[in-house]
Amino acid sequence: NAGVMQNPRHLVRRRGQEARLRCSPMKGHSHVYWYRQLPEEGLKFMVYLQKENIIDESGMPKERFSAEFPKEGPSILRIQQVVRGDSAAYFCASSAGAGDQEKLFFGSGTQLSVL
Amino acid sequence: LAKTTQPISMDSYEGQEVNITCSHNNIATNDYITWYQQFPSQGPRFIIQGYKTKVTNEVASLFIPADRKSSTLSLPRVSLSDTAVYYCLGSPAGYSSASKIIFGSGTRLSIRP
Repeated sequence: NAGVMQNPRHLVRRRGQEARLRCSPMKGHSHVYWYRQLPEEGLKFMVYLQKENIIDESGMPKERFSAEFPKEGPSILRIQQVVRGDSAAYFCASSAGAGDQEKLFFGSGTQLSVL
Repeated sequence: LAKTTQPISMDSYEGQEVNITCSHNNIATNDYITWYQQFPSQGPRFIIQGYKTKVTNEVASLFIPADRKSSTLSLPRVSLSDTAVYYCLGSPAGYSSASKIIFGSGTRLSIRP
């Protein structure tokens, strides 16, 4: 029973390039969450998606960032024209549903480094 | 939003019991208290969750007083592998409430031999 899978584990991009981060939720989970974490800080919520729908994107920067969770395939967090400030660990989590006592299961993250 | 306050860091020794207290004065009536553990370069891992009184599992115990303004995570007989950051957060119930789940800076627990 595989957990939440994220790839790549490490991603290096030069300023101005695009970064694509992938997340496959746990089997049977249809809710996906993306968080960003800077060194020595807590996780910051970015976006919450269900299959083919963005439910809450209140934590997403207004420009350059987008997320999707298609009917088939993994969830993708896309960062266009990356800047040095985008360097961080990006974690994906999944859950079985948005009911009470929701427990999040996290992947190992993607460490994005922008040169 | 359920803002939580917890110590920045704690130190203890192997074999000791460690108690980490979290304050959440404005927790909502239907919020649950959830604790996560995070090791370096890994995503957080769910430890325990409760609403009030005491909850115990194979990893930890969680004590929540009647007023629910605080909670205490208790780790019995810690080992070096318990060195990690521990997050306390309020988990609101209901649809599309994910953005209300706030991870603070956590408590950095260091266990010494």
